[in-house]
Amino acid sequence: QKEVEQNSGPLSVPEGAIASLNCTYSDRGSQSFFWYRQYSGKSPELIMFIYSNGDKEDGRFTAQLNKASQYVSLLIRDSQPSDSATYLCAVRGGSYIPTFGRGTSLIVHP
Amino acid sequence: DAGVIQSPRHEVTEMGQEVTLRCKPISGHDYLFWYRQTMMRGLELLIYFNNNVPIDDSGMPEDRFSAKMPNASFSTLKIQPSEPRDSAVYFCASSLGTSGGAGETQYFGPGTRLLVL
Repeated sequence: QKEVEQNSGPLSVPEGAIASLNCTYSDRGSQSFFWYRQYSGKSPELIMFIYSNGDKEDGRFTAQLNKASQYVSLLIRDSQPSDSATYLCAVRGGSYIPTFGRGTSLIVHP
Repeated sequence: DAGVIQSPRHEVTEMGQEVTLRCKPISGHDYLFWYRQTMMRGLELLIYFNNNVPIDDSGMPEDRFSAKMPNASFSTLKIQPSEPRDSAVYFCASSLGTSGGAGETQYFGPGTRLLVL
């Protein structure tokens, strides 16, 4: 059973701070890693993907991948109230289909 | 492109009735996915298609659920008979199907919010 684990939260951070979201996975053969954002009452939308060890930056977002330790993180710099949402981690192993975690709820308070 | 289109957006029905959810994927996408999302269970993959062919339906909860994809631009998820525990948000998603992050990215429709009384 391929598992993707996320802390459900909520993670509460003040505006302007760095929010750190973590995800661990069980399948060592995993190859692609995705972060989706889901606002309340809306559908998930892709923030970014990563498939090489290390960091990948896109604006205020940085994804960090450590395959040896089997975790992937998402850092959000200069957090804004508009970043308040649920963040879903998805991991694609040997099959084409990614497995989604349950998501972490992020609250950015002014 | 209009993105993934789902209908209806909201459905309220009574237990025992048949429910049909519809999805139009993004043109050119070879994969189509049906998900169910609840607070208790999160996002669950029900079934997915590749080039209109069902590949894995192991997530379909029971025989009351069925899905079809008669052509590249249309899919349905049917529940017959419906039960209160089927109440959830049902998402359809599609992806290109090429290897690599961009090709594997799933684009979700707005979802259908189903309430079975």
